[in-house]
Amino acid sequence: EAGVAQSPRYKIIEKRQSVAFWCNPISGHATLYWYQQILGQGPKLLIQFQNNGVVDDSQLPKDRFSAERLKGVDSTLKIQPAKLEDSAVYLCASSLGTSGSHEQYFGPGTRLTVT
Amino acid sequence: QQPVQSPQAVILREGEDAVINCSSSKALYSVHWYRQKHGEAPVFLMILLKGGEQKGHDKISASFNEKKQQSSLYLTASQLSYSGTYFCGTEALNRKLIWGLGTSLAVNP
Repeated sequence: EAGVAQSPRYKIIEKRQSVAFWCNPISGHATLYWYQQILGQGPKLLIQFQNNGVVDDSQLPKDRFSAERLKGVDSTLKIQPAKLEDSAVYLCASSLGTSGSHEQYFGPGTRLTVT
Repeated sequence: QQPVQSPQAVILREGEDAVINCSSSKALYSVHWYRQKHGEAPVFLMILLKGGEQKGHDKISASFNEKKQQSSLYLTASQLSYSGTYFCGTEALNRKLIWGLGTSLAVNP
């Protein structure tokens, strides 16, 4: 079974530039998560999709971050414009369902450096 | 509210045991445990659900005290491969999973 795919793996941009990350979840997984993980901290949920609908985006900085999941499969997360504090690893995860009984499978992450 | 993990860091010699704790101030529906090695993605270890159901790897042991909103992860006869950062995630009755800050575990030969 193929795992969660993410690209790019690394990205360096200057502040005020824009950047986009892509995620392809495990086939058949209805739920997709985008997390931000700052060095030394646990993952922070940015947005959760169930199929192509948003379940939770309460911690997504909507003035600069946007995400979509077209056709309920792969997803993109965009930052525009980027700030220095956006430097982090962006993790995508997927699971069979939204309930707490489902484990999450994580992709390798995208390490973003904003200079 | 973010769950509190303790200890923050542990150093073991191969073969020693360790316990990592996770506590929440809210009534919980489930507790998740994941391990993350440096530079890698978190990997699922175990889910403990309200009511006693557990899902996870056979070699991993954990407990969930629903009344105290606490969970403990038991690492016995540690191996070098156990090294990494262990995260607990707690799901309260609002069904949102919130992650702790992690416990760093180093197993030395």
